Amino acid sequence: SQELEQSPQSLIVQEGKNLTINCTSSKTLYGLYWYKQKYGEGLIFLMMLQKGGEEKSHEKITAKLDEKKQQSSLHITASQPSHAGIYLCGADTSGTYKYIFGTGTRLKVLA
Amino acid sequence: DAGVIQSPRHEVTEMGQEVTLRCKPISGHNSLFWYRQTMMRGLELLIYFNNNVPIDDSGMPEDRFSAKMPNASFSTLKIQPSEPRDSAVYFCASSLSSGIRETQYFGPGTRLLVL
Repeated sequence: SQELEQSPQSLIVQEGKNLTINCTSSKTLYGLYWYKQKYGEGLIFLMMLQKGGEEKSHEKITAKLDEKKQQSSLHITASQPSHAGIYLCGADTSGTYKYIFGTGTRLKVLA
Repeated sequence: DAGVIQSPRHEVTEMGQEVTLRCKPISGHNSLFWYRQTMMRGLELLIYFNNNVPIDDSGMPEDRFSAKMPNASFSTLKIQPSEPRDSAVYFCASSLSSGIRETQYFGPGTRLLVL
C-alpha cells in the first residue's frame, strides 16, 4: 500500500470552478511539499507546509496541513486552464532528506 | 536565477548501449538527488549526494546503474548496459542542505526510451 495517498487520481473541472486535492500519509509528517508537473517542465515547487494548522497560498492555490490527521489539502479557487497538470505531494516522514511521493492527481480544466 | 539543469532532455537508445544523464544543480546547493519516475512505481529516489559524496544509494536498482558527482556543479547518472525496462523519466533535484524540511528543487527531467 502507498505510504502517501492522493485523491482523487484525476479531476476534470469547468473553468471557474473550485476544487480540492487531498494527500494523506500513513506516517508522521515532518514536512509536506506540493509540486505541479507539466510535460517537459519537471516538478515545479508550489509550497511547503511543516506545522499543524499551517496554511499557505500561492496565487489562487491554497494548501493546508492537518498534522493530527497526517493530511494536507490543496485547494484551487476559480480554476483556469493554466492550472491543468499533475499535482504531486511529497512528504518527509523520517526527518531526513528522504521524500516519499504520492501518485499524483491529474487535473484538467475545461475552458 | 538558473534552476536545476539536465541534459539531454530526451534520449532514445537501443538495448545494450551505455546511457549518460547529466545534471547541474542550483549554485550553492550542497545536496543532490537522482530520481526515476515511471507510471507503475511513481517517483523513486535512486541516489543522494551531500557535498559531492554519495550518502545513500539504496535506491539504485542494479549494478548497471552508477552515479558520480566529481564537483559541486556537476553529476552524472550512467546506465550500462541499458535495458528496455530502464525507460522512464529521470529527474535530478537539489537542495540547499540535507537538513530537515529543506525543499528539493527539480530539473526538467530526461525522458529515456530504451528500444
